[in-house]
Amino acid sequence: SYVLTQPPSVSVAPGQTARITCGGNNIGSKSVHWYQQKPGQAPVLVVYDDSDRPSGIPERFSGSNSGNTATLTISRVEAGDEADYYCQVGVFGTGTKVTVL
Amino acid sequence: QVQLQESGPGLVKPSETLSLTCAVSGYSISSGYYWGWIRQPPGKGLEWIGSIYHSGSTYYNPSLKSRVTISVDTSKNQFSLKLSSVTAADTAVYYCARTGYCSSTSCHDPFDYWGQGTLVTVSS
Repeated sequence: SYVLTQPPSVSVAPGQTARITCGGNNIGSKSVHWYQQKPGQAPVLVVYDDSDRPSGIPERFSGSNSGNTATLTISRVEAGDEADYYCQVGVFGTGTKVTVL
Repeated sequence: QVQLQESGPGLVKPSETLSLTCAVSGYSISSGYYWGWIRQPPGKGLEWIGSIYHSGSTYYNPSLKSRVTISVDTSKNQFSLKLSSVTAADTAVYYCARTGYCSSTSCHDPFDYWGQGTLVTVSS
């Protein structure tokens, strides 16, 4: 089955940029979706189809996808962005915990 | 606003069948979309279990297919999950969610609406 690999953790200072990668074989040919999950809450869709944002999601969240890696970028990181992030292409990725320093 | 709400027992004995229901409000299941179940063991990642279309067509994760049954009741605007022969490894938070399209073995569209989740513990 298809495997999506994410780094277990990413740390970033407030106001800086966080980049979360999602690796998969030829993932650039597929549509990637990203979810944010805060403790005790259900996942929330933050980016879909590689780079589109659902209504209500800040422009600080953006996505890209090429080759074997998709990337979720969070610009001007805020304390409230601290959460687990999952990519999805059919299956879900392994998840990345973003810590705001 | 579309809302989903899971319900069912929070404790199931090993070897028995886990049963959950997801009530949908703000959208008629009969109008379309695929409706699915996703689970998350404590401290671990997300796993798609399966989905159903309003017509009753079902789509299951191959790794769980032999134990899973998903059904829909359009008159009550809800759908249900049954997972048989459970073990401690099935202990998880179970979410119901909506997605645009599923194929026989996975859902490639995003899950745009989710329930709050319900913890099911498998223990004697």
